[in-house]
Amino acid sequence: KNQVEQSPQSLIILEGKNCTLQCNYTVSPFSNLRWYKQDTGRGPVSLTIMTFSENTKSNGRYTATLDADTKQSSLHITASQLSDSASYICVVSVRGSSYKLIFGSGTRLLVRP
Amino acid sequence: GAVVSQHPSRVICKSGTSVKIECRSLDFQATTMFWYRQFPKQSLMLMATSNEGSKATYEQGVEKDKFLINHASLTLSTLTVTSAHPEDSSFYICSAGDEGNSPLHFGNGTRLTVT
Repeated sequence: KNQVEQSPQSLIILEGKNCTLQCNYTVSPFSNLRWYKQDTGRGPVSLTIMTFSENTKSNGRYTATLDADTKQSSLHITASQLSDSASYICVVSVRGSSYKLIFGSGTRLLVRP
Repeated sequence: GAVVSQHPSRVICKSGTSVKIECRSLDFQATTMFWYRQFPKQSLMLMATSNEGSKATYEQGVEKDKFLINHASLTLSTLTVTSAHPEDSSFYICSAGDEGNSPLHFGNGTRLTVT
């Protein structure tokens, strides 16, 4: 069964601190893995997308890693800001069907001053 | 960059009425668009895949007669919630994307409240 599991479910950190969010998947065949940021009451916004051959990708203070062997990904946020408070969703795409996406349940991050 | 526009952002309607939500791709053509539903503190759940010029493909458990989808052009898909009930109150999000590994682009969602 294709599944994407994220941890932790929620996280509270102080402004300026770093944090790492985890994503484990059992999707096969694998096409790519995406991290999205979703602010409350808004649609998700793409942060990174990685294919099988990519093991790291950065977007500003966001750095995603992918280990296709262990089927794990992480999203590292550096020097957190209050505006980083949001849900972060890991999404895995099934190969052969560009738009078949398996969504994780997300990690809700709260950055406090 | 590519943008998907969704309208309205919020709508409140009375039970029994119908509500139409629009999803537009602003600077690219989308032969396929997607409609999702999201409950509080949960992730997105795919409701249906909207195909330009043909019938939508609905996920299991989604009533096609209740959630009418029309994809009349390469830039517009609409979702109509017919005879809405309070349990239909939710956050509805559309998405569209280019081919291949391009990230899907999401609309900003529509908060539907049925009273």
